[in-house]
Amino acid sequence: NAGVTQTPKFHILKTGQSMTLQCAQDMNHGYMSWYRQDPGMGLRLIYYSAAAGTTDKEVPNGYNVSRLNTEDFPLRLVSAAPSQTSVYLCASSYSEGGELFFGEGSRLTVL
Amino acid sequence: GQNIDQPTEMTATEGAIVQINCTYQTSGFNGLFWYQQHAGEAPTFLSYNVLDGLEEKGRFSSFLSRSKGYSYLLLKELQMKDSASYLCAVLDSNYQLIWGAGTKLIIKP
Repeated sequence: NAGVTQTPKFHILKTGQSMTLQCAQDMNHGYMSWYRQDPGMGLRLIYYSAAAGTTDKEVPNGYNVSRLNTEDFPLRLVSAAPSQTSVYLCASSYSEGGELFFGEGSRLTVL
Repeated sequence: GQNIDQPTEMTATEGAIVQINCTYQTSGFNGLFWYQQHAGEAPTFLSYNVLDGLEEKGRFSSFLSRSKGYSYLLLKELQMKDSASYLCAVLDSNYQLIWGAGTKLIIKP
């Protein structure tokens, strides 16, 4: 049982480039979310999806998300900026407010 | 604003006991989580408290006082593998998680 899988683990890109961080879970969880983790700060929620086919709130500037099926929840950086340098964590849960299952993270550097 | 406070770093000795505190000020309360995160790895669930009192799970226990906005994680019989960051998170009235910055625990032989 793989749990939550994220790719890539590491990536460097230049300002203005775009890329997609992949996240997949095999636990049939409805809720999936993306966080960023920066030194000295708590996890910050970027976006969440309550179920396949739904997008539940306004997507923050600089990001794009989609939830075409239950398993996959990709996060796209539209035009990367140095402020988006971070570790991105994907998580899933069976229910809203439930225990989160995290992927190992994608460490992204924007030069 | 909403705020979670926990110590940045703590050091303890193998075999000893350590208590990691977490205080919170949030818009409503629907439970408090503790997660463990080893360096470079995914956070993993340790405990969930929604009622006042102590929840024990093996060497780890978690305590909650809602009236004081306070929780602690108690680790007994410390092992080297317990060296990790411990994250406190509160579920607010909108069922959004508010996270502390984490406490890095260093275990010395």
